[in-house]
Amino acid sequence: KNEVEQSPQNLTAQEGEFITINCSYSVGISALHWLQQHPGGGIVSLFMLSSGKKKHGRLIATINIQEKHSSLHITASHPRDSAVYICAVSRGSARQLTFGSGTQLTVLP
Amino acid sequence: NAGVMQNPRHLVRRRGQEARLRCSPMKGHSHVYWYRQLPEEGLKFMVYLQKENIIDESGMPKERFSAEFPKEGPSILRIQQVVRGDSAAYFCASSPVASGGADTQYFGPGTRLTVL
Repeated sequence: KNEVEQSPQNLTAQEGEFITINCSYSVGISALHWLQQHPGGGIVSLFMLSSGKKKHGRLIATINIQEKHSSLHITASHPRDSAVYICAVSRGSARQLTFGSGTQLTVLP
Repeated sequence: NAGVMQNPRHLVRRRGQEARLRCSPMKGHSHVYWYRQLPEEGLKFMVYLQKENIIDESGMPKERFSAEFPKEGPSILRIQQVVRGDSAAYFCASSPVASGGADTQYFGPGTRLTVL
C-alpha cells in the first residue's frame, strides 16, 4: 500500500462544476502539499498545510490530521484547470516529499 | 526574482554515455531536492542537498548516480553509463533556509532525458 493515496485517478467535469480531489496518507507528517502539474509538465505548488483550511482564489485545501485525510476543492471549474493534481507529504523532520500518484482532471467547456 | 532553473530542458543520450543535469535554485534558497518521474509513473524522491552537503540520498540508485551542490554554481545530478530505464523527467526543487518545519518547494521546469 502506498503511503499517499489519491482518488479519483481520473476526473472529468463540465465547466462550472465543483470539484473535489481526495488524499489519504498513512504516515506521520509535518505538512501536506498540493501541487499542480501542467500538460507541458511544469509543477506548481498550490498549498502547503499542516492543519485546518487554506483558500486561494477558486481553490480550497483542507486537512484533517486525526483522519489523515486532505481534500482539494475547485469551485466554478474552468477548462484551464485541466491538469494533474498531486498530493505530497513531508514526513517528520525529513524535508523531501513523498507523492501520491496524481489525479488527472479534465474540465470540458 | 527568477524561479528555479534547470538545463538542459531536453537531453538525448545513447546507452553508455554520461548525462549531466543542472539546477540553479531560487535566489536565497539553500536547499535543493531532485525528483524523478518515470513515464506513466508518479514523482519519486532521489536526493536532498544543502550547499556542499548531501543530506539524504536514500532515493538515489546506488550505482551510476551522483549529485552535488557546490559552494558556487548549480547543483548537478550526474548519471554515468546511462541505460534506457533512466529515461525520465528529472525535476529539481528548492526551498529557503530551514525554519524548523516543512517549507514550500519551488519546482524547476524539469529535464527530459531520453536514452536511445
